[in-house]
Amino acid sequence: QVQLVESGGGVVQPGGSLRLSCAASGFTFSSYGMHWVRQAPGKGLEWVAFIRYDGSNKYYADSVKGRFTTSRDNSKNTLYLQMNSLRAEDTAVYYCAKDGRETFDPWGQGTLVTVSS
Amino acid sequence: AIRMTQSPSSFSASTGDRVTITCRASQGISSFLAWYQQKPGKAPKLLIYAASTLQSGVPSRFSGSGSGTDFTLTISCLQSEDFATYYCQQYYSYPLTFGGGTKVEIK
Repeated sequence: QVQLVESGGGVVQPGGSLRLSCAASGFTFSSYGMHWVRQAPGKGLEWVAFIRYDGSNKYYADSVKGRFTTSRDNSKNTLYLQMNSLRAEDTAVYYCAKDGRETFDPWGQGTLVTVSS
Repeated sequence: AIRMTQSPSSFSASTGDRVTITCRASQGISSFLAWYQQKPGKAPKLLIYAASTLQSGVPSRFSGSGSGTDFTLTISCLQSEDFATYYCQQYYSYPLTFGGGTKVEIK
């Protein structure tokens, strides 16, 4: 079955950087686009980024554009989110999700990023 | 960006009730709408896509309807495992956007 496992979350100071990973299994990773979605504590869902199956196209939310970069290594079945210039408002659980024609299915279990001094 | 507005934001219901959640888009999105269920501490789960198509494995008591700007999610006979938060999501255009969520609580 499809499995997505995020890692790399933790506590980082404002202005710092962090790289999240999402290890995929149970499907042909190189054939599917992938998304990042986040959820601030006690809040709703916010789409963050999308990368096409071959990495040729990427889209970002305005709130992270210019600071976050998504990439993938299809040889390792792994998706990445490089987060720079982190702000307190980036504190959230970050989920990776397999693309289903711009819907999200399934989702990983999430990894918590806390931006605090 | 397309704004998605859900109502109500929360409500209480009893097992066996028929419940309806509404989602409105700030502009027409045809049928490019999905619904998700999220339980506390868990990742969301896709329930419905294309406004009314049930995802595989989702119980038939869930149904969706609507097109254009107005959509509904209906649970025909609420079960104990259905108490959760529900989100709508448009995928008509980027940035992809979610509604604010509707929390269904036990009365």
